[in-house]
Amino acid sequence: DVKVTQSSRYLVKRTGEKVFLECVQDMDHENMFWYRQDPGLGLRLIYFSYDVKMKEKGDIPEGYSVSREKKERFSLILESASTNQTSMYLCASVEQGRDYEQYFGPGTRLTVT
Amino acid sequence: GESVGLHLPTLSVQEGDNSIINCAYSNSASDYFIWYKQESGKGPQFIIDIRSNMDKRQGQRVTVLLNKTVKHLSLQIAATQPGDSAVYFCAENSDQFYFGTGTSLTVIP
Repeated sequence: DVKVTQSSRYLVKRTGEKVFLECVQDMDHENMFWYRQDPGLGLRLIYFSYDVKMKEKGDIPEGYSVSREKKERFSLILESASTNQTSMYLCASVEQGRDYEQYFGPGTRLTVT
Repeated sequence: GESVGLHLPTLSVQEGDNSIINCAYSNSASDYFIWYKQESGKGPQFIIDIRSNMDKRQGQRVTVLLNKTVKHLSLQIAATQPGDSAVYFCAENSDQFYFGTGTSLTVIP
């Protein structure tokens, strides 16, 4: 079974702090995604990556950056956290060419105070 | 922009009854659709998918129906069980995936 893990299940940060959310997958998947999930809005794509050191903006990249130094790890960075970034963050992983079989991590619920 | 929505935010059914969860999409170019189940505190889990060249697809206790004419997708769960209680949402794929907001299904024992 594919396993996608996220570094924290719950995180509380202060406004202005730099926040790192880590995602690791163990199936050698090329493609990785970061989404945020908010009530009434569904999942929205923040960033994705199709290869090491490669990144592409999704629908809502503002206020975020990402890092993919190793194939198995995809990090989401909030350079200066704001209260409107309070959300559930979900990482997903998928094999190249099989974009429909996205495997999701358990999510990180981030609260910015 | 894309619009993927659900008709009802919540649904309660008796254990053993069938459940039907609906989803409307707006992009007629979407060619692939997925239903996800998300239990409390967990990430979304793939349930079943369907391509636009199909009208119906069946899995284990689940059936997805696609009506391209009215851009409507439904998920039918047969003999609903307490373990089926979760949020269900659809996703459509054209240039990328667009996700619905979800329906919360509660199974009453």
